[in-house]
Amino acid sequence: TQLLEQSPQFLSIQEGENLTVYCNSSSVFSSLQWYRQEPGEGPVLLVTVVTGGEVKKLKRLTFQFGDARKDSSLHITAAQPGDTGLYLCAGDRSSASKIIFGSGTRLSIRP
Amino acid sequence: GAVVSQHPSRVICKSGTSVKIECRSLDFQATTMFWYRQFPKKSLMLMATSNEGSKATYEQGVEKDKFLINHASLTLSTLTVTSAHPEDSSFYICSANGGQRDTEAFFGQGTRLTVV
Repeated sequence: TQLLEQSPQFLSIQEGENLTVYCNSSSVFSSLQWYRQEPGEGPVLLVTVVTGGEVKKLKRLTFQFGDARKDSSLHITAAQPGDTGLYLCAGDRSSASKIIFGSGTRLSIRP
Repeated sequence: GAVVSQHPSRVICKSGTSVKIECRSLDFQATTMFWYRQFPKKSLMLMATSNEGSKATYEQGVEKDKFLINHASLTLSTLTVTSAHPEDSSFYICSANGGQRDTEAFFGQGTRLTVV
């Protein structure tokens, strides 16, 4: 059973379109991170959200942490081929002191 | 951000042999490191939490005698895949907590293990 469920699992869209990836859990997290991973490489941290309701922007990427700190979303505006990759959310449950990854969303942007 | 170096990046070994993978935090001290396994096109699966100076904590279903973890110093953790079999072939990734918040995990480049 995946503690953090991401949806969709796969997404292929045209360049210039917008998209949203969701990360959901029934558990509360003290913080949540979003990573992007390219084939054959380790994940690269994009953002960390800590406060319920927090919104962070990174150029065309907007990240939001749910009010109850159980879910998060990643919105990409005007997607570009360079956005292609595996997007992973990861949560830290301070009681467990370890970071658990979501199921992943594989994003493909067609030129 | 903090830098974590993993070595080797690729390794091919024969069935029955053992392979050691190193994970180093280059510019910070990591009291805790994590080892993950990733199957093709899948997410990362946590194998174990490596604690400096103490035994690793393994996730359910992970054989501790198969995947030996040693965290001898604040900057180095090793994962040894013992008596490797083809089904052990996978992408192994380590991470260490660091940076401004302990909850930010920085990852190594990963190790592609192929057992033939």
